[in-house]
Amino acid sequence: DTGVSQDPRHKITKRGQNVTFRCDPISEHNRLYWYRQTLGQGPEFLTYFQNEAQLEKSRLLSDRFSAERPKGSFSTLEIQRTEQGDSAMYLCASSQGSQGAQPQHFGDGTRLSIL
Amino acid sequence: SQKIEQNSEALNIQEGKTATLTCNYTNYSPAYLQWYRQDPGRGPVFLLLIRENEKEKRKERLKVTFDTTLKQSLFHITASQPADSATYLCAPRREGNTPLVFGKGTRLSVIA
Repeated sequence: DTGVSQDPRHKITKRGQNVTFRCDPISEHNRLYWYRQTLGQGPEFLTYFQNEAQLEKSRLLSDRFSAERPKGSFSTLEIQRTEQGDSAMYLCASSQGSQGAQPQHFGDGTRLSIL
Repeated sequence: SQKIEQNSEALNIQEGKTATLTCNYTNYSPAYLQWYRQDPGRGPVFLLLIRENEKEKRKERLKVTFDTTLKQSLFHITASQPADSATYLCAPRREGNTPLVFGKGTRLSVIA
């Protein structure tokens, strides 16, 4: 169990650019979640997958955001035409199974700064 | 809409004392509630889970209570240590492996 890993850890970009983040979950976990966290707030849900199927998207996820999990393993989150308000920590989490009360295992996030 | 409130943004206590953190929720009937710890620049780490039919859960120096009548969970750290300093997040949850909805968290500082 190597834990959830996210890449990159930090991303600085200019407004209007596109960015893509990657998340590698714990290998046997079939559920993968994306959250966004700003300073002084708890993480806010963005979207989640069961295997390769995207099950739910939050209203926070504008049309500029897209997430994929093509083979049911790693996932990518892309933000197009970045805006100042996109600056945040993007967290990925994974868990096993669809039933029961399974804890989520988080990566250490990608911190995005928009100049 | 559902609302989760953690009683204070910051809590300072003396080393050795018991820290008590509060999580209140409204417009929600969770089947269970999870507590996480988050250190600066890191992702949350799962600590404890308590179900709606459990009054109390313990793990080493940690204790969680869940009162569905008051719609409240209390999180206690006994014999607190400076290493316990972190932000603690509560997440009430429906049954199943659904996305988490977090409170803002309480930043605990244990002073030596």
